[in-house]
Amino acid sequence: DTAVSQTPKYLVTQMGNDKSIKCEQNLGHDTMYWYKQDSKKFLKIMFSYNNKELIINETVPNRFSPKSPDKAHLNLHINSLELGDSAVYFCASSQDVGGNQPQHFGDGTRLSIL
Amino acid sequence: AQSVAQPEDQVKVAEGNPLTVKCTYSVSGNPYLFWYVQYPNRGLQFLLKYITGDNLVKGSYGFEAEFNKSQTSFHLKKPSALVSDSALYFCAVRDISGNTGKLIFGQGTTLQVKP
Repeated sequence: DTAVSQTPKYLVTQMGNDKSIKCEQNLGHDTMYWYKQDSKKFLKIMFSYNNKELIINETVPNRFSPKSPDKAHLNLHINSLELGDSAVYFCASSQDVGGNQPQHFGDGTRLSIL
Repeated sequence: AQSVAQPEDQVKVAEGNPLTVKCTYSVSGNPYLFWYVQYPNRGLQFLLKYITGDNLVKGSYGFEAEFNKSQTSFHLKKPSALVSDSALYFCAVRDISGNTGKLIFGQGTTLQVKP
């Protein structure tokens, strides 16, 4: 059973397009996150939600919009894709919002912009 | 501002030898520290954490880490390395500002264990 699953695993698209990445967790966790990992493997938080409420909103272009229909799902929609958006995007979840508990990561979505 | 540094981009050890992956941190207050491992084409996996208590923390796959407050370090260790330990290792510290649970990650250290 996959604890945190992301779809799609690979996403290749043209500059200017709009795309979505979906994430689901079956761990019963309250908090979910989106991270971006760049080509140098540097990992940076983008957003977090706790019980469908936005908690963390880092300095991310407003072309990126997270949506949490329920606490088990956190999707990421990206408008007007740019070359610099090419990266691996990871979804994660944790039991609480306080940061005491480990985060569980999906296997990532590899986004390539042509 | 909270920060974490991993001074080595790469660590190479022979199989069977002890390994150390270094991490230093800068936080105001008591740190919450974590180690994660990332295998190729996979997400990060939690190894261990230090919140409070014993300075020597034991984690998954035989790894342990030692919290040293005076040196502001949290080095990851294993007594005997395996080839399968080859991966990318991240140290992280919880950002205590705002109580959002945000983790600040180091830049990662690639561990290469040679047979």
